[in-house]
Amino acid sequence: AQSVTQLGSHVSVSEGALVLLRCNYSSSVPPYLFWYVQYPNQGLQLLLKYTSAATLVKGINGFEAEFKKSETSFHLTKPSAHMSDAAEYFCAVSDPGSGNTPLVFGKGTRLSVIA
Amino acid sequence: SQTIHQWPATLVQPVGSPLSLECTVEGTSNPNLYWYRQAAGRGLQLLFYSVGIGQISSEVPQNLSASRPQDRQFILSSKKLLLSDSGFYLCAWTLGDSTDTQYFGPGTRLTVL
Repeated sequence: AQSVTQLGSHVSVSEGALVLLRCNYSSSVPPYLFWYVQYPNQGLQLLLKYTSAATLVKGINGFEAEFKKSETSFHLTKPSAHMSDAAEYFCAVSDPGSGNTPLVFGKGTRLSVIA
Repeated sequence: SQTIHQWPATLVQPVGSPLSLECTVEGTSNPNLYWYRQAAGRGLQLLFYSVGIGQISSEVPQNLSASRPQDRQFILSSKKLLLSDSGFYLCAWTLGDSTDTQYFGPGTRLTVL
């Protein structure tokens, strides 16, 4: 069974600083991996998605994530944080061969950006 | 283009009262549909999903139920609400299986008093 672990339920960075949100996965097969963002009182929206093509995936709003099989990680980064990046971020994993078995989400990491 | 609607946006209900939350998707056919709940500090919990009309899979046994009376309509119900049912309820859809992007609705904030 797949699982996702997001290290740190809350991360705080200064405006302009590097953002690093950690995600480790467990999967018996090469997975598909996702990062979603949720702004306060809204639904989730896709930031980026890894589908076994390029290991470095670029997403919206300047975010990117790198798939590292040896580390079973898919950490999300952004070189320079903006105030508008304050939100909750969810990592999720899917098994491409599992048919309609739902995505497995991590517990989320709340990102605060300090002026 | 596809859109997803949820209503109501907010709801305050007394303990023991019934519940009906509705989710409708426009602009696509035969989507997979999902109900999630976010309780304070507890992440995103999958409640139900449906791959077709009348087909409901339950992930968590509880006093909630789901129905899919039409292709693009997904309803979450309860006969008697509990305090623990409070939370933010999200509906989502995908066109294919779980490897496809999930598109989420705006959510319903439910407070049970």
